[in-house]
Amino acid sequence: GENVEQHPSTLSVQEGDSAVIKCTYSDSASNYFPWYKQELGKGPQLIIDIRSNVGEKKDQRIAVTLNKTAKHFSLHITETQPEDSAVYFCAARKGRVNAGNMLTFGGGTRLMVKP
Amino acid sequence: GAVVSQHPSWVICKSGTSVKIECRSLDFQATTMFWYRQFPKQSLMLMATSNEGSKATYEQGVEKDKFLINHASLTLSTLTVTSAHPEDSSFYICSARSPGLAGGYNEQFFGPGTRLTVL
Repeated sequence: GENVEQHPSTLSVQEGDSAVIKCTYSDSASNYFPWYKQELGKGPQLIIDIRSNVGEKKDQRIAVTLNKTAKHFSLHITETQPEDSAVYFCAARKGRVNAGNMLTFGGGTRLMVKP
Repeated sequence: GAVVSQHPSWVICKSGTSVKIECRSLDFQATTMFWYRQFPKQSLMLMATSNEGSKATYEQGVEKDKFLINHASLTLSTLTVTSAHPEDSSFYICSARSPGLAGGYNEQFFGPGTRLTVL
């Protein structure tokens, strides 16, 4: 089955700096890669996702890049703010619409943005 | 995005009792719902997949008689932890898959979670 590795497990940055979180996956058939932000005591919130037919996607201060050949994808947060502090999870999934395919999650990265 | 709610948000119960957690998709119909368990500082672990009108599919190692799942309608799935013990204490999160765009992919939205503490 799919295996998703996420690094680093913790990341501390100064407010205004950039943060990068990296994930690798094992199943070359995976074609959907979402990123979730989880604040303390809450459920994960989808913040951005990328499909396998796209190499990069941006949404304001957040961007995700995908390298299918190397089987890794990364989350980039620019101009970090204290409210970006949370645990971030990457995930991977294969399959087509309505197929019973599951998300496989990375281990999570605890991001701390210091004011 | 689509909204998924869970109730209750937290529950404390005595060992040996049963606890029911509800998961609702508020503004869309979810043919598939997922139940996850999350221990402190760990990732989400999929427990089971629930399809409306059919039996849930449990992941390896998850006791189906202990964690009863009922997906009675397109907007409601329930997880019942039967004869709860302290080791069942955890953060339980449900997720619902929204209808995908034609030729596209299904988005998956998560509920806010339910913290279960078994004394």
